[in-house]
Amino acid sequence: EVQLLDSGGGFVQPGGSLRLSCAASGFTFSNYAMSWVRQAPGKGLEWVSAVSGGSGTTYYADSVKGRFTISRDNSKNTLYLQMNTLRVEDTAVYYCAKATDSVSRIGDFDYWGQGTLVTVSS
Amino acid sequence: DIQMTQSPSSLSASVGDRVTITCQASQDISNFLNWYQQKPGKAPKLLIYDASNLETGVPSRFSGSRSGTDFTFTISSLQPEDIATYYCQHYDNFPPVTFGQGTRLEIK
Repeated sequence: EVQLLDSGGGFVQPGGSLRLSCAASGFTFSNYAMSWVRQAPGKGLEWVSAVSGGSGTTYYADSVKGRFTISRDNSKNTLYLQMNTLRVEDTAVYYCAKATDSVSRIGDFDYWGQGTLVTVSS
Repeated sequence: DIQMTQSPSSLSASVGDRVTITCQASQDISNFLNWYQQKPGKAPKLLIYDASNLETGVPSRFSGSRSGTDFTFTISSLQPEDIATYYCQHYDNFPPVTFGQGTRLEIK
């Protein structure tokens, strides 16, 4: 059974940093691309970042480029999102999502974590 | 970037009703479209992939179809447990991927 367990959320002041984690199990983690998708309170879904399987090529939404860094540790079956220079508008529930392929269907998600809440406020 | 226009934004229907939600892509995305169900406080759940394929374990009352850049999601007979927000999402021409604005479905 595929399981994705998100963690690391919390309360942080504007300009601060936070690192999210997503622990994966039930599939061969290294073979699949992974993404982070966020949802601001009462709003819709927004793709944030992705990392391919294999070479680990990274991709970012314009709204987070230069501030967030996605990475993966295939030996620990864990996905990360390092968030720096956080803004109030980054407040959201952050979900990790598994893709259906390593490189050709990176944005095609079949499983999601339960989410972790990030609150950026002064 | 490809835009997805989803409608309606909210919908109220009775148990047993046929419910339809539409998404229009701003350009051709072939069949690269998913439909998700999200219940309050929960993660999205994949229902339909590649525009019209039912995910394993999903009830057959859910279906999807495509006509050009127009995509339709249908619940053939609404059940109380179907109360949720539904999102379309394209994954063509990555990055980025974009989601529709969501349709909040309520019981009348």
